[in-house]
Amino acid sequence: AQSVSQHNHHVILSEAASLELGCNYSYGGTVNLFWYVQYPGQHLQLLLKYFSGDPLVKGIKGFEAEFIKSKFSFNLRKPSVQWSDTAEYFCAVNRDNYGQNFVFGPGTRLSVLP
Amino acid sequence: EAGVAQSPRYKIIEKRQSVAFWCNPISGHATLYWYQQILGQGPKLLIQFQNNGVVDDSQLPKDRFSAERLKGVDSTLKIQPAKLEDSAVYLCASSSGPFSYEQYFGPGTRLTVT
Repeated sequence: AQSVSQHNHHVILSEAASLELGCNYSYGGTVNLFWYVQYPGQHLQLLLKYFSGDPLVKGIKGFEAEFIKSKFSFNLRKPSVQWSDTAEYFCAVNRDNYGQNFVFGPGTRLSVLP
Repeated sequence: EAGVAQSPRYKIIEKRQSVAFWCNPISGHATLYWYQQILGQGPKLLIQFQNNGVVDDSQLPKDRFSAERLKGVDSTLKIQPAKLEDSAVYLCASSSGPFSYEQYFGPGTRLTVT
């Protein structure tokens, strides 16, 4: 079965520090990849997505992610975090062409200290 | 545009009781998803509808869970009878189609089974 793992359960950073959150998936075929974010008290919302093409994708609020097919990874990065980035981050995967079978990772809680 | 609406926001029931959740997706969105998110975990897809047809219900515990989307718009998810392990947040999401991939999430219903 398809699965998604996220390397860290809780990450604590100071403002201006760089961020990298790991995500690995198990499915061997063509996949679509996503990062969703849930700010405190808010709904889950899409941060960025990868379908095909340039493996480096840019999302909202200065986030980017790199798809490395050989490593089955889709890590999220931000060069300089802000206190407002404090949130829960979820990596998600679904199979190409079917629009279904979304699988979410367990999430990483990011706390940014002012 | 109005977002995905869910009700109730909170529900507390005793085990073996029944409960129903309601979701109204974004207007015009053909695809509707129900997820279960247990504390500390990522959302788990329970069922996906395309209009009023079921696309994927492979992870729905059909002995106690049921869902319907009769007119292809709003949807209800029912649990009968509830178990302690059903305590979770139930999320509804919608997207414009199965291949649009960007899901818009509602605020969720937090269910506590005692």
